[in-house]
Amino acid sequence: ETGVTQSPTHLIKTRGQQVTLRCSSQSGHNTVSWYQQALGQGPQFIFQYYREEENGRGNFPPRFSGLQFPNYSSELNVNALELDDSALYLCATSTGGYEQYFGPGTRLTVT
Amino acid sequence: SQQGEEDPQALSIQEGENATMNCSYKTSINNLQWYRQNSGRGLVHLILIRSNEREKHSGRLRVTLDTSKKSSSLLITASRAADTASYFCATPFYTGANSKLTFGKGITLSVRP
Repeated sequence: ETGVTQSPTHLIKTRGQQVTLRCSSQSGHNTVSWYQQALGQGPQFIFQYYREEENGRGNFPPRFSGLQFPNYSSELNVNALELDDSALYLCATSTGGYEQYFGPGTRLTVT
Repeated sequence: SQQGEEDPQALSIQEGENATMNCSYKTSINNLQWYRQNSGRGLVHLILIRSNEREKHSGRLRVTLDTSKKSSSLLITASRAADTASYFCATPFYTGANSKLTFGKGITLSVRP
């Protein structure tokens, strides 16, 4: 157990809807990264937040957005859901060092 | 795009045997990390090796890094059924203050009791 929690565990949405996923940070971890993992693939970097500011973004469209709160917890929002957005969404927190601590993930299914 | 490429894609061994997994990457790195993932859940950090290190040990794990060949290997000795999982190598990249990770597609390890 890393101490990083994510909610919800599973989620089913319809194409075109919007979704918000949440991630709590370990104490003292001021950096949170979000990854998307499609079935049978490795995680793909979506974006990272550091001290409430976006600090790098992967190759994902603007309908993927995020927030980081003063307590360093974070949200990932996805608008206009598409079928290809079905994946495991992972958040990872760190103190800014090399090692990242992953939460258990949120399994999103878009129908 | 994925920086790391692991091989084999799948590995099945008997309990007690050693498991060797390989990873190749494309660009210069300052460290390489291995993670484990059980049944599509969160990733667990196993070990980090820095670019100036050639070999590192942690319990039953041994990692090597050859920067000239841009490759790394993970050896799990005396495997157990509980080692059954997917294993990923990850390399950092930098856009902004802190590092982010690029992962390979992973290796599925099955350890038969």
